[in-house]
Amino acid sequence: AQKVTQAQTEISVVEKEDVTLDCVYETRDTTYYLFWYKQPPSGELVFLIRRNSFDEQNEISGRYSWNFQKSTSSFNFTITASQVVDSAVYFCALSEVPSGGGADGLTFGKGTHLIIQP
Amino acid sequence: KAGVTQTPRYLIKTRGQQVTLSCSPISGHRSVSWYQQTPGQGLQFLFEYFSETQRNKGNFPGRFSGRQFSNSRSEMNVSTLELGDSALYLCASGPQRDRGLSEQYFGPGTRLTVT
Repeated sequence: AQKVTQAQTEISVVEKEDVTLDCVYETRDTTYYLFWYKQPPSGELVFLIRRNSFDEQNEISGRYSWNFQKSTSSFNFTITASQVVDSAVYFCALSEVPSGGGADGLTFGKGTHLIIQP
Repeated sequence: KAGVTQTPRYLIKTRGQQVTLSCSPISGHRSVSWYQQTPGQGLQFLFEYFSETQRNKGNFPGRFSGRQFSNSRSEMNVSTLELGDSALYLCASGPQRDRGLSEQYFGPGTRLTVT
């Protein structure tokens, strides 16, 4: 069965530091999608990225970057030059694509609480 | 474009009652999913609807059900409420993709408290 592990429960850094959030997944399928979401104190989940299992290219979006490595089943997320507004809980998630088609719902990790101190 | 809206935002019910939550997806999105978020279990998938058909279901008892209307709006129902059903219920909608689950855009959630 699919599983997502975010081993870091809480990370605290000082503003302007770089920080990496780890995500390790388990899946039986060869086709799957990986996601990252941000949940700020307001509570609403904000979509950050969707990546399919055949695309191992790293992605950069402003201060955010993602490193996908199938060999280690990891999809890590790095924030460069962190800001106080980055403080939130970050979730990594997986959706498998069964051989018969369709798509499974998101399986979420437990989340990493990121605290950026001014 | 307006985001996903959920009503009501807060709800207090008594054990044994039933409850119906509503979700309006982003305009043009035909996929609607529901998730339960609790401190202990985290975020868990309930079900997904597409064009009024349930495409997928998570591991929840039959007391949890849902439906989708022709305008893509969705409702979920929980019957015979238990204390453990207290949670934040999140609805998400997504555009159609050729393959796999599309990016899911979440609403603000309905906070259900069962007493």
